[in-house]
Amino acid sequence: SQQGEEDPQALSIQEGENATMNCSYKTSINNLQWYRQNSGRGLVHLILIRSNEREKHSGRLRVTLDTSKKSSSLLITASRAADTASYFCASPPYNTDKLIFGTGTRLQVFP
Amino acid sequence: DTGVSQDPRHKITKRGQNVTFRCDPISEHNRLYWYRQTLGQGPEFLTYFQNEAQLEKSRLLSDRFSAERPKGSFSTLEIQRTEQGDSAMYLCATPRADYGYTFGSGTRLTVV
Repeated sequence: SQQGEEDPQALSIQEGENATMNCSYKTSINNLQWYRQNSGRGLVHLILIRSNEREKHSGRLRVTLDTSKKSSSLLITASRAADTASYFCASPPYNTDKLIFGTGTRLQVFP
Repeated sequence: DTGVSQDPRHKITKRGQNVTFRCDPISEHNRLYWYRQTLGQGPEFLTYFQNEAQLEKSRLLSDRFSAERPKGSFSTLEIQRTEQGDSAMYLCATPRADYGYTFGSGTRLTVV
C-alpha cells in the first residue's frame, strides 16, 4: 500500500523555473525522505528531513515538513533539463525503518 | 556505482518459468530490503532481512516468491511459476543511518 499521495502527478516547466512538488502521508513518522528516479533506473536519495525539523536545504533543493498536516513539499530552484525525472516522497512509519512510498511526481524540464 | 549491485538488469521469461534475482551490497549492511515497482507507481515493500533473518514479508509476497540472505551479505529473490502480473522492476536497498536508503539499479522483469 502507498503511504500517501503526491501532487501534482505530472509537472512540465521551462529551464530556470522553480518546481514544487507536494506529498501527503498517513501515519506518524520519524522522518520523511525524497528520492529521484530517472526513467528505468533505481532511486537516488535526495534529502531526509526529521520529524522535528520544519525546513531543510541541500543545494538547489528545499524541503519543508508540516507534521500537523502530514505533508511535505520539495522545491527545486532554477531547474535544469537534467532534473527531468520522477520524484518520490517516502517515510518509515513510526518505530520502523521500512520505507513507504508515495505515488510520485513526474517532472519534465524543457530546455 | 550506487553501492548496491543487482543482477541481472533485465530478465525476459516465459510465463510459468522460474527466475532468480541477486542483490549485492558493496559494503556490509545489517538490513536489506526488497521492493517491487510497477509502471507509474512508487516502489512497494516486499520483504526485509536483518542479517540472515527474514523479519517481515508483505502480503504482496505470495507463496511463489521466496527470498534468502544466506550469509547476511548478498540476497536472492526467486519467483516460481511466473505470471504476467509479476512483470515489474525489482529493487534492492540498504538503509544508511540518517541518510536514507541506497538503492540498486533494479532488475526489470518481463513475463511474456
